[in-house]
Amino acid sequence: QKEVEQNSGPLSVPEGAIASLNCTYSDRGSQSFFWYRQYSGKSPELIMSIYSNGDKEDGRFTAQLNKASQYVSLLIRDSQPSDSATYLCAVKANAGKSTFGDGTTLTVKP
Amino acid sequence: GAGVSQSPRYKVAKRGQDVALRCDPISGHVSLFWYQQALGQGPEFLTYFQNEAQLDKSGLPSDRFFAERPEGSVSTLKIQRTQQEDSAVYLCASSSPTGFPYEQYFGPGTRLTVT
Repeated sequence: QKEVEQNSGPLSVPEGAIASLNCTYSDRGSQSFFWYRQYSGKSPELIMSIYSNGDKEDGRFTAQLNKASQYVSLLIRDSQPSDSATYLCAVKANAGKSTFGDGTTLTVKP
Repeated sequence: GAGVSQSPRYKVAKRGQDVALRCDPISGHVSLFWYQQALGQGPEFLTYFQNEAQLDKSGLPSDRFFAERPEGSVSTLKIQRTQQEDSAVYLCASSSPTGFPYEQYFGPGTRLTVT
């Protein structure tokens, strides 16, 4: 079992809908949690970080963290075709390495 | 300011050749990370530096891989006697350890193809 699990997808949503991406992790010592967006052939781009239980909103993006359930999610509201990418969940226990999931591929259809 | 830069962006090596991949982190970022990303998978950790000190090299897959950061800024990942299984994208990231939650920012990567 991987330390960080994500639904591989693909996840397909119509333009304007809400996309919901989920991630679970196994290390209870994890302290900080990240969502990266990766377009095909490009490197990961940080879009959200969260470290306290609850919701964190940034524009159309909302990250949700539940440490008791070891669960992190990313909601994308008013999805746009430009949001079509692979979304990577990452966790860190300290200032050292990040552990990544294998990503969920999102397609937003016009 | 400028982001993380990596060179070369693409490298083709014949099996058995040595390669050196360079990473220039964001100015002022004392932490530097190397990851390996295979197609369809998430980045896998290789090694981590804080300034010039290599604090974690647990992810290096074999003794053919080593990394250095002698002056605490630019880092080089070297792979000796390359094998086909080394073909991947090598990603460098940097972060500032004083800034919880320790956000990491990636460079564009080096795509290594071993033939």
